[in-house]
Amino acid sequence: QVQLQQSGPGLVKPSQTLSLTCAISGDSVSSSSSNWNWIRQSPSRGLEWLGRTYYRSKWYNDYAVSVKSRITVNPDTSKNQFSLQLNSVTPEDTAVYYCARLVGTVDSYYFDHWGQGTLVTVSS
Amino acid sequence: SELTQDPAVSVALGQTVRITCQGDSLRSYNANWYQQMPGQAPVVVIYGKNNRPSGIPDRFSGSGSGNTASLTITGVLGEDEADYYCGSRNTSGNRPWVFGGGTKLTVL
Repeated sequence: QVQLQQSGPGLVKPSQTLSLTCAISGDSVSSSSSNWNWIRQSPSRGLEWLGRTYYRSKWYNDYAVSVKSRITVNPDTSKNQFSLQLNSVTPEDTAVYYCARLVGTVDSYYFDHWGQGTLVTVSS
Repeated sequence: SELTQDPAVSVALGQTVRITCQGDSLRSYNANWYQQMPGQAPVVVIYGKNNRPSGIPDRFSGSGSGNTASLTITGVLGEDEADYYCGSRNTSGNRPWVFGGGTKLTVL
């Protein structure tokens, strides 16, 4: 049974860095068949995919163009978790942030397990 | 959103409802459907052409043609009242995965 447990602060000041962690149980961050993602949700933007990390003989990352200059998603194999860092945040980055596992089948890739969500508010 | 959904749909208890999703990426990729209850994370109910994860009732089904995908709920129950989101791979380069804006399903 895969479970994703998120942790991190719910309040970040403008211009500072948003940092969240997603602890994985029931799978490995180094799995060759899983991808580890961050997705956020806000009333103005809806569900928005932000980035992912995955291991296929080496580590890879993909990021949404809209946040590419500010985002880092890193694996931590020693703790079996992965993290999100989003720099230079503004109130526009206020959202519920989710970590999620992406898996592939013969006819689709889909997010089959999600963390519980963390409401992050950007405010001074 | 690069996938378009009707913001709200209502259905009488026990009837059948179809929720649709439109977008160019659906011509190349299958849609997945997620159910989200208030205050909770999304849960996948349909993935790929028409696959249900373990534990999802068979009253949920999916279909698609051209640039349109549909989620059908047959014999709607009160517990199906939720927000439903479609998602798929993206054919444009700005992000590899996209979601629709969501459809709020109200059961009357």
